[in-house]
Amino acid sequence: AQRVTQPEKLLSVFKGAPVELKCNYSYSGSPELFWYVQYSRQRLQLLLRHISRESIKGFTADLNKGETSFHLKKPFAQEEDSAMYYCALRTIQGAQKLVFGQGTRLTINP
Amino acid sequence: NAGVMQNPRHLVRRRGQEARLRCSPMKGHSHVYWYRQLPEEGLKFMVYLQKENIIDESGMPKERFSAEFPKEGPSILRIQQVVRGDSAAYFCASSPSNTGELFFGEGSRLTVL
Repeated sequence: AQRVTQPEKLLSVFKGAPVELKCNYSYSGSPELFWYVQYSRQRLQLLLRHISRESIKGFTADLNKGETSFHLKKPFAQEEDSAMYYCALRTIQGAQKLVFGQGTRLTINP
Repeated sequence: NAGVMQNPRHLVRRRGQEARLRCSPMKGHSHVYWYRQLPEEGLKFMVYLQKENIIDESGMPKERFSAEFPKEGPSILRIQQVVRGDSAAYFCASSPSNTGELFFGEGSRLTVL
């Protein structure tokens, strides 16, 4: 069965410091990986997806199939990055549902 | 486009009653997903529907829970004979096709007394 693990429930860094939110997955097939974000008082929304290979709001994430990881990184954190971040996996085979990790609450301190 | 609309936003039920949660997807979206978020936990997949069809209900408890997405009208998540453990936030999401980009509603918070 597919599973997404975000080992850190809470992560706190100072403004300007690098940020890395960890995500590991288990899935026997070829997955698609996503990061979703929920800012305060807003809806959960897509941040980025691995197939796009793009940087969104300074964030990047690389799919590492060897380590089954999809960590989210940003070199210099900004206060507006404070939010709840969810890593998600979509199965390619079968019904193609989206499975989420437990989420990491990121707090950027001034 | 108003976005995914869920109602009610808050629902209080006593044990044994029924809860009905509604979700109107974004215009043009024919794929609907329901997720449950228990306190201090992440989003748990419940069911994936397309118009008039249940595609994947592997995350739905076998008893008391049902979902539908009729040809006309919103998707409905129905919980019969609610118990305290059903207290949670229920999120609906929709997409125009199954690409992994989901558009979420604001959620319906169910409290069972």
